[in-house]
Amino acid sequence: AQSVTQPDIHITVSEGASLELRCNYSYGATPYLFWYVQSPGQGLQLLLKYFSGDTLVQGIKGFEAEFKRSQSSFNLRKPSVHWSDAAEYFCAVGDNFNKFYFGSGTKLNVKP
Amino acid sequence: DADVTQTPRNRITKTGKRIMLECSQTKGHDRMYWYRQDPGLGLRLIYYSFDVKDINKGEISDGYSVSRQAQAKFSLSLESAIPNQTALYFCATSDYRTPRSYNEQFFGPGTRLTVL
Repeated sequence: AQSVTQPDIHITVSEGASLELRCNYSYGATPYLFWYVQSPGQGLQLLLKYFSGDTLVQGIKGFEAEFKRSQSSFNLRKPSVHWSDAAEYFCAVGDNFNKFYFGSGTKLNVKP
Repeated sequence: DADVTQTPRNRITKTGKRIMLECSQTKGHDRMYWYRQDPGLGLRLIYYSFDVKDINKGEISDGYSVSRQAQAKFSLSLESAIPNQTALYFCATSDYRTPRSYNEQFFGPGTRLTVL
């Protein structure tokens, strides 16, 4: 069955530091992978997506993610975090019927 | 104007009441979804609809029903609300007209429902 694991429930980083949020998925076929961000009191906004091709994908707000098939991972990275990046981040895998399976989310706190 | 709208944005109701959450979209997408979000559990799929005549249960459909009144409208009903249905509910849409292009899902702003 399809599933997504985000091992880190909460992460705190200092402003200006680098960030990596982990995502592991379980899916039997070629995965379609997504990262969404949810700011407090807001809906979900797409950061980036991977369908095929280059395994390093660039997204909005300076985020990138790397697909590693051998590790079943799709980790999200940002070289320098800004205070406005504080939010909850969700990884998702889509199946061939466009059903999405979400991870439980990682809450990012940014220290001044 | 927002492409995916949800009404109401907030609702407080009592146990046993029937309640309907509504979702409308102007994106012209054929697929619509209802999710609920609970702290620490992420988003879980309640129902999804691939077109007006195609409605499917998600992983947590018990206690819920849906109606796809038109391509642009997808409503979620709680026939007899109970406290553990207190959650944040999201509607989403996607366009699957071109397989392999695989567009993302677009989310509404959410409805916060409290069942007392």
